[in-house]
Amino acid sequence: GENVEQHPSTLSVQEGDSAVIKCTYSDSASNYFPWYKQELGKRPQLIIDIRSNVGEKKDQRIAVTLNKTAKHFSLHITETQPEDSAVYFCAAVSGGSYIPTFGRGTSLIVHP
Amino acid sequence: NAGVTQTPKFQVLKTGQSMTLQCAQDMNHEYMSWYRQDPGMGLRLIHYSVGAGITDQGEVPNGYNVSRSTTEDFPLRLLSAAPSQTSVYFCASSDKGPYGYTFGSGTRLTVV
Repeated sequence: GENVEQHPSTLSVQEGDSAVIKCTYSDSASNYFPWYKQELGKRPQLIIDIRSNVGEKKDQRIAVTLNKTAKHFSLHITETQPEDSAVYFCAAVSGGSYIPTFGRGTSLIVHP
Repeated sequence: NAGVTQTPKFQVLKTGQSMTLQCAQDMNHEYMSWYRQDPGMGLRLIHYSVGAGITDQGEVPNGYNVSRSTTEDFPLRLLSAAPSQTSVYFCASSDKGPYGYTFGSGTRLTVV
């Protein structure tokens, strides 16, 4: 089955800095890569996703990049704000599967 | 439109007790899943369903049963609770396979 590795486990930045979270996947047939944000005590919520036929996708201050050859994808957050503090999960979905496999999460802390 | 509703929000069980975690969605979603979240372990798939009457095992199914008699409901049964099942449980649903999963608010279960 699919295996997703996520790094770092904890990321601490100053407000206004950029943050980058990286994930690798094992199944070359994976074709969908969502990112979820989970605030403390809340449910995970989808914030951005990318499909395998696209190399990059942006939505305001967040962007995701995908390198299919290297089997890795990354979440980029620019101009970080305290409200970006949360746990971020990457996930990958193998072709023909209905279910995402999640990474272990990155705790992002943005210091004012 | 309530989305995905999980009950109870909190539960304490004694070792050996059984219970059912409820999950209901009112969005007519075909795809439903149960995950458990443990510190540093991310979201691990317990069981999933792609429609009424169809269920399958995920990564960590031992000690849990599910059924899907209706599109709306997907209960998770703990047969004989063990301390290792202390966790936060999330139910999720989607109408498009892996795309855009919506999570419930979670059930925090403690087994003593």
